[in-house]
Amino acid sequence: EVQLLESGGGLVQPGGSLRLSCAASGFTFSSYAMGWVRQAPGKGLEWVSAISASGSRTYYADSVKGRFTISRDNSKNTFNVQMDSLTVDDTAVYFCAKDRNHLSRGVFDIWGQGTMVTVSS
Amino acid sequence: SYVLTQPPSVSVAPGKTASISCGGNNIGSKSVHWYQQKPDQAPVPVIFYNNDRPSGIPERFSGSKSGNTATLTISRVEAGDEADYYCQVWDSTSDHVLFGGGTKLTVL
Repeated sequence: EVQLLESGGGLVQPGGSLRLSCAASGFTFSSYAMGWVRQAPGKGLEWVSAISASGSRTYYADSVKGRFTISRDNSKNTFNVQMDSLTVDDTAVYFCAKDRNHLSRGVFDIWGQGTMVTVSS
Repeated sequence: SYVLTQPPSVSVAPGKTASISCGGNNIGSKSVHWYQQKPDQAPVPVIFYNNDRPSGIPERFSGSKSGNTATLTISRVEAGDEADYYCQVWDSTSDHVLFGGGTKLTVL
């Protein structure tokens, strides 16, 4: 069964850091780009970041560029996002998603169930 | 930066046809994807590449484009279609994924 499972969400203070992970199974992980999409409470979907299949190319939304770092380990079928300098505006459910392409094109055919990140003092 | 514009809400009676629009400059040159999201659930793709239905999505769901607007059409609407729908494109100029603001479909 094709599956994505996020972990690492939680409560963090403004200015703090958090690392989200996404474990993939059921498909050839190293062949596909992967991405993160978030959804603030009561709001719409917002693309956050993506990484190519090989890991050589990374992509970031302007709202997180310079603060978030995406990475992947194809030997472990996992990818991560390191989130630094968090603000209350980063509070959201974070979904990991599989792209249908090896380069990020935002064609997300498989989604995880999401992990909640709350930034609050 | 590139913007996708969707109506906040659309209402339709059961059995009728719902049309959800997604406006964007020169959207005809881009591939448009559509996602359905029900409360407290992850998004589910319903249309890829303008009018390609993923496996398991009913034929009642279709997509089209005309001018600067892409449209998701749901025929013979059912109560279970009530959800938020998002259009999405890849902007090659910025290398960004962009989502529309979402449309809440209400089945009357």
